[in-house]
Amino acid sequence: QITLKESGPPLVKPTQTLTLTCTFSGFSLSSIGAGVDWIRQPPGKALEWLALIYWDDDKRYSPSLETRLTITKDTSKNQVVLTMTNMDPVDTGTYYCVHRQYGAPPRFDYWGQGILVTVSS
Amino acid sequence: DIQMTQSPSPLSASVGDRVTITCRASQSISTYLNWYQQKPGKAPKLLIYAASSLQSGTPSRFSGSGSGTDFSLTISTLQPEDFATYYCQQSYSNPETFGGGTKVEIK
Repeated sequence: QITLKESGPPLVKPTQTLTLTCTFSGFSLSSIGAGVDWIRQPPGKALEWLALIYWDDDKRYSPSLETRLTITKDTSKNQVVLTMTNMDPVDTGTYYCVHRQYGAPPRFDYWGQGILVTVSS
Repeated sequence: DIQMTQSPSPLSASVGDRVTITCRASQSISTYLNWYQQKPGKAPKLLIYAASSLQSGTPSRFSGSGSGTDFSLTISTLQPEDFATYYCQQSYSNPETFGGGTKVEIK
């Protein structure tokens, strides 16, 4: 059974850097085809894809946020870390860690519970 | 970026109704289209992938169709637990994008 759980600060100040950790079980990020994504959702709004890391350390970022995002993995700890710099109140929302099912098409088949991050001074 | 446009929103319906949600892509995405259901305070749940394939555990009253730029999600007989927000998502090209969501609410 695949599970994912996000952890990190619920509150950050504007201009600070946000660091979120996804701890997962039930799959290995060293297995061919494995991938983990981050997706966020502002309160009352739609979902927005942020970043992806593959088993081979290939990384993809949302072009609109690429300069602010870094995604890394620690395969031995079954963790994926997302950092987002220069946080702004518009970055307030729930951040989800998601398992990517390899295939045609790829899809998000397991989601973490999400972590609400508020950006406020 | 590929833009995904959903309609209608919201959608008012009654238990037992047949409802259809549409999703249009700004360019052709073949069948690289997935549908998710989200209930308040919960993470989204994958319902349908590849435009028409039911994810394991998805009730058979849900169906999907379409290819290219036009897609639809149909609930044949709306159940009380189906009142939720539905999102389409394209995985054809980076960045993968979601529609704005369709909230199915009680009439």
